[in-house]
Amino acid sequence: DTGVSQNPRHKITKRGQNVTFRCDPISEHNRLYWYRQTLGQGPEFLTYFQNEAQLEKSRLLSDRFSAERPKGSFSTLEIQRTEQGDSAMYLCASSFGWTGTDYGYTFGSGTRLTVV
Amino acid sequence: KNQVEQSPQSLIILEGKNCTLQCNYTVSPFSNLRWYKQDTGRGPVSLTIMTFSENTKSNGRYTATLDADTKQSSLHITASQLSDSASYICVVITYGGSQGNLIFGKGTKLSVKP
Repeated sequence: DTGVSQNPRHKITKRGQNVTFRCDPISEHNRLYWYRQTLGQGPEFLTYFQNEAQLEKSRLLSDRFSAERPKGSFSTLEIQRTEQGDSAMYLCASSFGWTGTDYGYTFGSGTRLTVV
Repeated sequence: KNQVEQSPQSLIILEGKNCTLQCNYTVSPFSNLRWYKQDTGRGPVSLTIMTFSENTKSNGRYTATLDADTKQSSLHITASQLSDSASYICVVITYGGSQGNLIFGKGTKLSVKP
C-alpha cells in the first residue's frame, strides 16, 4: 500500500487547452473523491465515486469538467478549455465506505494546475 | 446547513510555545471528526480521528479534544517546532449527506517562528 497517488504533481497549461489528471487510490478503497483547493482555503468538494459509479457532483463541476472511474480503480479528472480561474490544487482522496461508517479518507499530494 | 468553523484563521507563535486551535461544527448526523495537517503544496495528512464517545486523543505532541454536546473540538500543540508550520484542517464526517459525507473547515494557518 503506497497511499493515494496523483499525477502529475504540477501542470502548467495555456488558457484554452485541455488537461487531464490521474488519481490512483489505495487499492482496497472503494470510494474516491475529488476536491479543488485555492490558496488559503479549505478543499472544496467536486465529485465522488463509489466503485465506478459517480454518486454526486458539485455545482462547482461545470460542463467543462468531467471525471471518470471506469473500472472502479483509478480515476481521471479532465478540464476542457481551461480558464485562469481553474488554477488551483486538485486533491484526490479515497476511503473504504460502508453504510454509515467510512474508513480511510487518505489524501494524495495533489496536482497543482497553473493556467497561463 | 452542515458547517464547520475554525478559529483563528491564522496564528503566529514562537518555537517551543503551545497553542490551541478551535473547531465548531453544526453537522448532523455526526459520525466522526478528523484533524488534518497540510504542509504548503502538499495534500492533507491525518492527525487524529475522534468518534462520538471519545473526549481526548493524543498523537505525539498533538492532542485533540471533542465535546459532542457543544459540538466543539480543539487541537492542542505542545512545545511547537518549526515543522509544525502548516494549515490545520478540521473535517466532520456525516452519514448519508452531500459532498461525499465530508464537511471541511477552511483551516487555521499556523506559523512557528524561531
